[in-house]
Amino acid sequence: RKEVEQDPGPFNVPEGATVAFNCTYSNSASQSFFWYRQDCRKEPKLLMSVYSSGNEDGRFTAQLNRASQYISLLIRDSKLSDSATYLCVVNPLSGGYQKVTFGIGTKLQVIP
Amino acid sequence: EPEVTQTPSHQVTQMGQEVILRCVPISNHLYFYWYRQILGQKVEFLVSFYNNEISEKSEIFDDQFSVERPDGSNFTLKIRSTKLEDSAMYFCASTLSGFGYTFGSGTRLTVV
Repeated sequence: RKEVEQDPGPFNVPEGATVAFNCTYSNSASQSFFWYRQDCRKEPKLLMSVYSSGNEDGRFTAQLNRASQYISLLIRDSKLSDSATYLCVVNPLSGGYQKVTFGIGTKLQVIP
Repeated sequence: EPEVTQTPSHQVTQMGQEVILRCVPISNHLYFYWYRQILGQKVEFLVSFYNNEISEKSEIFDDQFSVERPDGSNFTLKIRSTKLEDSAMYFCASTLSGFGYTFGSGTRLTVV
């Protein structure tokens, strides 16, 4: 099983739609989780951290399910500017220098 | 907003040549990293650097690779004898605490 697994997509959705991505991770001891956004040929940019209690930032909601070892990202009212690849990132520890592991990313294309 | 700066943005080199990729992390950050992304593939960890020494490295980071922080601000990645398969986007990242990285805009390395 891959360390961090994502459906690469692409997910093609109309403007205004709600779309959700899941990501599963294999290391049950993983401590911290993130969603990054990557535009084509650009650097990853931190979108949001993911907490056990779930967290929301505007149209974006992230959830963590430790029992099933997955995290999710929900985007409501999709905008054309949301078109990008969304990277799931898992850290084995809660902070510190340890490497994080990236998923392959899920490509989202929002269509007018 | 503070940023991580990488130079050059694009480097073309002949196989067997040495290249040095440069990065200026955010000034008060403590942990520094190099990641790479081969076109169409996931972001892969190369090396982490903390307190002026390597704290972790991947199996990709073999004897051909080295890192330095020569002057307290720059952070460099050297590849001694480049191979075709070293062609990738190389990202430098830094973080203060390990909760979320800031990535530089990357150096696209093309080995011909």
